[in-house]
Amino acid sequence: EIVMTQSPATLSVSPGERATLSCRASRSISRSLAWYQQKPGQAPRLLIYGASTRATGIPARFSGSGSGTEFTLTITSLQSEDFAVYYCQQYNSWSFGPGTKVDIK
Amino acid sequence: QVQLVESGGGVVQPGRSRRLSCAASGFTFSAYAMHWVRQAPGKGLEWVAVIAYDGSNENYADSVKGRFTISRDNSKQTLDLQMNTLRPEDTAVYYCAGASGFWGPFDSWGQGTLVTVSS
Repeated sequence: EIVMTQSPATLSVSPGERATLSCRASRSISRSLAWYQQKPGQAPRLLIYGASTRATGIPARFSGSGSGTEFTLTITSLQSEDFAVYYCQQYNSWSFGPGTKVDIK
Repeated sequence: QVQLVESGGGVVQPGRSRRLSCAASGFTFSAYAMHWVRQAPGKGLEWVAVIAYDGSNENYADSVKGRFTISRDNSKQTLDLQMNTLRPEDTAVYYCAGASGFWGPFDSWGQGTLVTVSS
């Protein structure tokens, strides 16, 4: 079983600032890593797959990096609509991380 | 456009069964692997089960193995989840999600259906 961890649990950021979210896998997953955004009362939305490829329609301010066991999601210049919970997921066996909540500072 | 619509949620007593369905439209359903993902109230996402595009392969989370069964009907463009011997800890919003590969990201999601297991 591959266990995913995320840090921090909560990230307080001011609009216009950068947010950096971390995700770690318990063993190497190569680049089989996706990031999802979820807003209250909504289904998750795919942001990034293959660790660094933006999904269709995702703004360029979202970027992903990493491989193996360490991954990062960066959101440059946070917009009001970006305040949400972000989950990483490895899709070798589909487990999710516990999420990082990005809220307004 | 891609649409996934879940149904079948509700209140069910512990030990009983429930069947969820997901109706797909707007994409080539028969080419996609399909998953169920759940989210307990106020908690994170938990992957539940996957079925290959042609139904030839299935996999389950340990927490539901032996109790839940995933199935699909490509002619009707529907995905089902048969849930047996339900427990209070199965209480969650259940989402269906589509992936272009069996081991791939989930690029489309339904809005979810709430299952509450309670006496």
